[in-house]
Amino acid sequence: DAGVIQSPRHEVTEMGQEVTLRCKPISGHNSLFWYRQTMMRGLELLIYFNNNVPIDDSGMPEDRFSAKMPNASFSTLKIQPSEPRDSAVYFCASSFIPEQFFGPGTRLTVL
Amino acid sequence: SQQGEEDPQALSIQEGENATMNCSYKTSINNLQWYRQNSGRGLVHLILIRSNEREKHSGRLRVTLDTSKKSSSLLITASRAADTASYFCATDALIQGAQKLVFGQGTRLTINP
Repeated sequence: DAGVIQSPRHEVTEMGQEVTLRCKPISGHNSLFWYRQTMMRGLELLIYFNNNVPIDDSGMPEDRFSAKMPNASFSTLKIQPSEPRDSAVYFCASSFIPEQFFGPGTRLTVL
Repeated sequence: SQQGEEDPQALSIQEGENATMNCSYKTSINNLQWYRQNSGRGLVHLILIRSNEREKHSGRLRVTLDTSKKSSSLLITASRAADTASYFCATDALIQGAQKLVFGQGTRLTINP
């Protein structure tokens, strides 16, 4: 298995633009997590899916953030419009409980 | 608020020495996990210890758990330069009927050759 796949690996965009991050979880895993990591705030859980259904989105910072999981093999995290404070590394992780397997992350820079 | 808090925030030791990192948490858990993150990479699962276990070993890793003190420690013996990374503890939390992990801020470990 290739592990959790994320794309793009790096994204540089200008304030106000829409950003879409993509994740392919490990086949057979029924849970998917989106995290954001910054030096200031550490690792934050944004949203969590179980069997493609959003369970806990209390970590989503505001309405500019949205996430979908249309099927068991694909998820997206969208930021619209993006702001400089959204600059961070975004990780996707999948799990069949209890261990989580992390993707390599997407480093987002919003200018 | 975060469940796990690591101590120290940063640790620098010489290659060959042992490294000990601690984690404290606030509420009841089913299990506690330790993860490693190399610079610029995603987190990698190292070891899991269940709430009814007190100690667990995996290679050069030794994890202890004291549920009465709500604390855990990770010991890396005979450290190597490749062990340089950040180490995170994570506790499970049952929220809104679903299980998720809550990560601490991590300990940044540097092994000096």
